[in-house]
Amino acid sequence: DARVTQTPRHKVTEMGQEVTMRCQPILGHNTVFWYRQTMMQGLELLAYFRNRAPLDDSGMPKDRFSAEMPDATLATLKIQPSEPRDSAVYFCASGFPPGQGSYEQYFGPGTRLTVT
Amino acid sequence: GNSVTQMEGPVTLSEEAFLTINCTYTATGYPSLFWYVQYPGEGLQLLLKATKADDKGSNKGFEATYRKETTSFHLEKGSVQVSDSAVYFCALSDLVATGNQFYFGTGTSLTVIP
Repeated sequence: DARVTQTPRHKVTEMGQEVTMRCQPILGHNTVFWYRQTMMQGLELLAYFRNRAPLDDSGMPKDRFSAEMPDATLATLKIQPSEPRDSAVYFCASGFPPGQGSYEQYFGPGTRLTVT
Repeated sequence: GNSVTQMEGPVTLSEEAFLTINCTYTATGYPSLFWYVQYPGEGLQLLLKATKADDKGSNKGFEATYRKETTSFHLEKGSVQVSDSAVYFCALSDLVATGNQFYFGTGTSLTVIP
């Protein structure tokens, strides 16, 4: 049963520290999404990749957040420096290319980030 | 633009009660519609989907019909169980207009009590 994996599952860090979250999309999926979920804002799209190229990162604070796909099996989301308001659950999701199979998104279990 | 509006929660029902969670959408093209479910501490899971008008998606006793005339995709279940307690998200994706970027509603929390 193919799944999106995310590491770490939980991260507690101090303000100002760098945080890196990793995601392994399902093999064969070429679209990858990063979301942030908070009680106040709900589910927010941060960035969206297709074939490892960023298509939309308008939801991401550019001064401190960066998202990359070093290869097809790894997506990373980095926060530097982290702030308490970044505390949230960060989800990665992946999907098939448009026109190739069903295109629902498959979500990972999330990384729960707490910045103190 | 594209957007989804769903019923505010939280919703509390007794076991075996009938469930309806309303969802309406705005789209510029011809979207596909989805319901996702999120159990505590987990990611979102696809519950059901419909890709064109009048399609009915169904799974695990849940159903939703894609109504283009009312721009709606309401989620229903005839008899809920305690295990259905979760947060439910309505979503749309307009493949032609925006690739497979999804637009999610704010989520509706459901609690089923024995």
